[in-house]
Amino acid sequence: DAKTTQPTSMDCAEGRAANLPCNHSTISGNEYVYWYRQIHSQGPQYIIHGLKNNETNEMASLIITEDRKSSTLILPHATLRDTAVYYCIVSLRGGNNRKLIWGLGTSLAVNP
Amino acid sequence: EAGVAQSPRYKIIEKRQSVAFWCNPISGHATLYWYQQILGQGPKLLIQFQNNGVVDDSQLPKDRFSAERLKGVDSTLKIQPAKLEDSAVYLCASSAGRWNEKLFFGSGTQLSVL
Repeated sequence: DAKTTQPTSMDCAEGRAANLPCNHSTISGNEYVYWYRQIHSQGPQYIIHGLKNNETNEMASLIITEDRKSSTLILPHATLRDTAVYYCIVSLRGGNNRKLIWGLGTSLAVNP
Repeated sequence: EAGVAQSPRYKIIEKRQSVAFWCNPISGHATLYWYQQILGQGPKLLIQFQNNGVVDDSQLPKDRFSAERLKGVDSTLKIQPAKLEDSAVYLCASSAGRWNEKLFFGSGTQLSVL
């Protein structure tokens, strides 16, 4: 079962910031939050991950609340090529392994 | 850096037939994953290899699905016999290690079972 809750779909105007929310209220102290995206007919692509602190890379920024129960992925200047399904994932610990449990994601449409 | 290679890209078979998918991960990646993605859903892990050993196959329908990773490099996923509900995209991914969840995915094989 997915441990995250995301809106089904969102729209964003090209050139504006896209802010994608994710709730993960049952996250454990050492579980990471990962974001992937999947463009139509392609495999998923890693975007960013974090534990407690906010993170930024060349693709996006990840803002994690202090209580770690939710996070927001920010695409600072969305382009048409950012249209994709965005998955927020919490890594699941089991035995001596850790795995990602994927939910349904948010379908982001960037409009001209 | 070459990405994860998968073949074939598309496959159409009739129910009860068998099918095989092939995956070549990124060079040096110890961990290899096979996912099944049904239309409109997120990927579901079928099996995870660490080198040539199985780490997790808890969601693999073992009565019809099998997978192997020879010499800890390439991997093959087989379905025999196929059912209508096996129609999906089969994704292969690799990562540098089992604790490294930065996965690199191939483009997938789209399977249609008629």
